[in-house]
Amino acid sequence: DAGVIQSPRHEVTEMGQEVTLRCKPISGHNSLFWYRQTMMRGLELLIYFNNNVPIDDSGMPEDRFSAKMPNASFSTLKIQPSEPRDSAVYFCASSFLRLPRIFGEGSWLTVV
Amino acid sequence: GDSVTQMEGPVTLSEEAFLTINCTYTATGYPSLFWYVQYPGEGLQLLLKATKADDKGSNKGFEATYRKETTSFHLEKGSVQVSDSAVYFCALIRTQGGSEKLVFGKGTKLTVNP
Repeated sequence: DAGVIQSPRHEVTEMGQEVTLRCKPISGHNSLFWYRQTMMRGLELLIYFNNNVPIDDSGMPEDRFSAKMPNASFSTLKIQPSEPRDSAVYFCASSFLRLPRIFGEGSWLTVV
Repeated sequence: GDSVTQMEGPVTLSEEAFLTINCTYTATGYPSLFWYVQYPGEGLQLLLKATKADDKGSNKGFEATYRKETTSFHLEKGSVQVSDSAVYFCALIRTQGGSEKLVFGKGTKLTVNP
C-alpha cells in the first residue's frame, strides 16, 4: 500500500492567492482527517470525514478554509484567500476508525 | 480544557541508552492515551495506546503505562537505536459535543547518535 498521499509536498504562494491541498487516503479506510501543524500551536484537527461526510469541522479556523471529500479516494483542503498566518504543515490522515492511524507526509505551505 | 504536556526536547542519546519521554495529561474522566511517532520527512504514525488505568501499551520495544494516580503516560525504551531518531507526540482523546478529538502534545524530538 502506498500510504496516505498528499500533494503538493511544498508550496510557496503570495498572500491573497487560492491554495488547494490534496489527499488520497489509504484504500479501504473510511475516515479522513485534516490537521495543521505549527510551532506555536502544535497539531490541530481541522476537519474529520467519515464515509465521505464531514462529521466535525469545528477546527476549521474561518470561512477562508473549506474541505471536500467527493469520493472515498480523494479529499481537498482549500484556503481562499490565503494569508501569511496560514503558513504551516498540513497533514492528511486516514483510518478505519475514528482515530487517525496513518498520516501522509504533509504539505508544507508558505504564504508570503 | 483537556491538554497534554510533554517534556521539552530535544533529547540526544547514544545508541543503546535508556529512553524516557515524560507525558502528563489534564482531562475530565479517563481518556484514552496514545503515542505517535514522526520520522524525518514522514507523517505521524500511531506507535502505541492505552485505554484504561494501568494498561500498558507496547510496540517496537517502546512501552508506556497509563498511570491514573499521576496522570502520566511516559514513553520508555530500554535500548534505543539510531533508527529511533524521530519526533514523539503524546496524545489523548477528548470527547466534546458527542464527537471525539485527539489532543496532541507539542512533540519531543529524539536524536540517537551511533
